[in-house]
Amino acid sequence: DAKTTQPPSMDCAEGRAANLPCNHSTISGNEYVYWYRQIHSQGPQYIIHGLKNNETNEMASLIITEDRKSSTLILPHATLRDTAVYYCIVRFYNTDKLIFGTGTRLQVFP
Amino acid sequence: DVKVTQSSRYLVKRTGEKVFLECVQDMDHENMFWYRQDPGLGLRLIYFSYDVKMKEKGDIPEGYSVSREKKERFSLILESASTNQTSMYLCASSGVLLGAGKGAGELFFGEGSRLTVL
Repeated sequence: DAKTTQPPSMDCAEGRAANLPCNHSTISGNEYVYWYRQIHSQGPQYIIHGLKNNETNEMASLIITEDRKSSTLILPHATLRDTAVYYCIVRFYNTDKLIFGTGTRLQVFP
Repeated sequence: DVKVTQSSRYLVKRTGEKVFLECVQDMDHENMFWYRQDPGLGLRLIYFSYDVKMKEKGDIPEGYSVSREKKERFSLILESASTNQTSMYLCASSGVLLGAGKGAGELFFGEGSRLTVL
């Protein structure tokens, strides 16, 4: 499984865009990029995933570079409730196994 | 609402005790997982199951076993609990992979079970 590297922590002002980077330089052609987040005392929650193209849903946008070696999760208007640990994961298309790293702790401040 | 339910939020056990952590999902999912979460180490996969009576080792299976007798239930067993198994345990489930469609292979997690072994 490809490994991911994320900064351990980031800050963001409420109302501003939060851009969370992830490096996955060893990703293979059949591996998807997934993002989950974990709010304190809860189980992780799915946010978004993608293969090659940029993706957007009601929670966030996922930008994947053309060479697929890195990606960025964008929360367009961060709120205090977005304070959480964000995990970037790569996953082979035909496996059910997800390997989590240590994630990025995002602190949104007023 | 989809639901993954873990039997206990908090447990305190003694060294050497046998511990059962139960997980039930109501989404008719094929796949179920047990992770443990420790500060500074993130989530680590212990075991997973892709069908009834099937199991696969994750990255840290030592000291654990699992049981999946029914599709909706996945149990994690600590045969002889030790203090280094004090941790937060998270159960998750997912459906069959459907490719890149929305929600395909999404993991749904329970609230977690915090186990303390004295």
